[in-house]
Amino acid sequence: NAGVTQTPKFQVLKTGQSMTLQCAQDMNHEYMSWYRQDPGMGLRLIHYSVGAGITDQGEVPNGYNVSRSTTEDFPLRLLSAAPSQTSVYFCASSPGRGYTFGSGTRLTVV
Amino acid sequence: KNQVEQSPQSLIILEGKNCTLQCNYTVSPFSNLRWYKQDTGRGPVSLTIMTFSENTKSNGRYTATLDADTKQSSLHITASQLSDSASYICVVSAGGTYKYIFGTGTRLKVLA
Repeated sequence: NAGVTQTPKFQVLKTGQSMTLQCAQDMNHEYMSWYRQDPGMGLRLIHYSVGAGITDQGEVPNGYNVSRSTTEDFPLRLLSAAPSQTSVYFCASSPGRGYTFGSGTRLTVV
Repeated sequence: KNQVEQSPQSLIILEGKNCTLQCNYTVSPFSNLRWYKQDTGRGPVSLTIMTFSENTKSNGRYTATLDADTKQSSLHITASQLSDSASYICVVSAGGTYKYIFGTGTRLKVLA
């Protein structure tokens, strides 16, 4: 049972580039979400999904897109990377109570 | 505004000593409160969860308390070990939703 798997673990992008952070879970959880973690701040919700085909915005959605075509996968797309998007990104899934987090993706935008 | 505040921001203790971390929240309606442990470079891992009616919850050497009247929680670590060095995050869930409010965490370092 792998839990929540995020790839890549590290990424460096140039300003303006686009990329997709991958997230997959094998626990059949309906709820999945993406957070970013910045120094001195709590985790902030970017986007979330309550099931396949359903997504919604969180607290800081600008500059990011998501889709949920299957229960297992919830990719996060950066449309045009900006230095302000330098952060650690966590994907999490939940059966309804409590999260299982992935190990994170450290993204640097230069 | 829903907020979760944790104190202290950082703490250094010697191995074998006890410590207590604090969490104050202003989240309404309240559903539950969790404490997570986050090791450096890893995702947070759940330690305890408490609902409105629960005052104390233990997980090994970790004991969480909740006072729903004063909207305060604490995490007590007994007989600390080097492996307890991590950030501890308090997370409060607003009732009826998937809305989770994260504290900024307490960074604990345990020295030999």
